[in-house]
Amino acid sequence: AQSVAQPEDQVNVAEGNPLTVKCTYSVSGNPYLFWYVQYPNRGLQFLLKYITGDNLVKGSYGFEAEFNKSQTSFHLKKPSALVSDSALYFCAGPGGSARQLTFGSGTQLTVLP
Amino acid sequence: EAQVTQNPRYLITVTGKKLTVTCSQNMNHEYMSWYRQDPGLGLRQIYYSMNVEVTDKGDVPEGYKVSRKEKRNFPLILESPSPNQTSLYFCASSLSAGDRVHEQFFGPGTRLTVL
Repeated sequence: AQSVAQPEDQVNVAEGNPLTVKCTYSVSGNPYLFWYVQYPNRGLQFLLKYITGDNLVKGSYGFEAEFNKSQTSFHLKKPSALVSDSALYFCAGPGGSARQLTFGSGTQLTVLP
Repeated sequence: EAQVTQNPRYLITVTGKKLTVTCSQNMNHEYMSWYRQDPGLGLRQIYYSMNVEVTDKGDVPEGYKVSRKEKRNFPLILESPSPNQTSLYFCASSLSAGDRVHEQFFGPGTRLTVL
């Protein structure tokens, strides 16, 4: 079955430090993967996606993600965290059919001042 | 402004009382979808629609109905709500799925409580 997993429920990082939010996938064929962010009392916002090509994908708000086929991972990264980056982050990939998305369980990122 | 709107944003109801949550998008997107979000489970897809009059079950369709009579609207219907349908619901839309899902635009969410 197609799936994505986020192994960490909670990530804490100090402001100014680099941050990483982890995602692993189990997808047959060529995967396409997304990162979304959810701020309190808001809907999800698209951050970035990997379809094909360059393994390092750049997205909104200074975020980037690295696609690693050998490790089946798609970790979200940012060189210098801001307090305003504190939010719930979701990784997503193809679901039961090519027209469905499956989401990870989410990772709560807290950036400490 | 490009957006997905949902109404109501908050709803408290009782078991068995039929309700409809509306969803509308102004981006002329072909693909629309409903998800429910529960703590620790992420988002799970309820139903999706590739275009007008075309709907398909997602991963958790039991207890829900949808319709797609117009391109912009995709209402979610709970004919006989039960407490286990208490959740946060999101509508989303995107360009035509074609051979894969495109990035989706999400509505602000509807928090439903069924007593």
